[in-house]
Amino acid sequence: AQSVTQLDSHVSVSEGTPVLLRCNYSSSYSPSLFWYVQHPNKGLQLLLKYTSAATLVKGINGFEAEFKKSETSFHLTKPSAHMSDAAEYFCVVSEGNNDMRFGAGTRLTVKP
Amino acid sequence: ETGVTQSPTHLIKTRGQQVTLRCSSQSGHNTVSWYQQALGQGPQFIFQYYREEENGRGNFPPRFSGLQFPNYSSELNVNALELDDSALYLCASSLGRAGDTQYFGPGTRLTVL
Repeated sequence: AQSVTQLDSHVSVSEGTPVLLRCNYSSSYSPSLFWYVQHPNKGLQLLLKYTSAATLVKGINGFEAEFKKSETSFHLTKPSAHMSDAAEYFCVVSEGNNDMRFGAGTRLTVKP
Repeated sequence: ETGVTQSPTHLIKTRGQQVTLRCSSQSGHNTVSWYQQALGQGPQFIFQYYREEENGRGNFPPRFSGLQFPNYSSELNVNALELDDSALYLCASSLGRAGDTQYFGPGTRLTVL
């Protein structure tokens, strides 16, 4: 079965500096991979999705992620953090069935 | 286009009681999935309904049951509530094709005392 490991439970950056949220996955098939963001007291919002097309995926709000099969990684990056990026981020893997496996989440803090 | 909505927003129950949570899917979507998100954890898949039939289930006991209606809205029912059932319950809708993006509602916060 598929699984996801988010390597950092908490990441803290200063406003205007780059963001890196790390995700490794395990899958027996060619998976679909997602990043979702969850702001306090809000539902999950899709940031971006990888489905075996281009390995570099661009999402909303300046986020992007690169699929690296050899490293089984799907790290999320953003060149310049904004205060509004502070939230919980989830990496998700799906093997094309109905079971989406979420990571434990990474809390991003952005300092002024 | 209307997004995914859930009701109620918050709910407090006591151990042993039963609860029903409701979800309206996004316009045009025929699939609803339910997730349980315990505090400080990622969401865990409970089950999915596709065109009124259960279409997969996670590792949850039978006291978690569901229903999908002809308009594709859905209910999650939990019987014999336990303290560990306290969580945020999320509903997500999609077009039903495997791997399709799921769009999430804001969730229902259930507290079991």
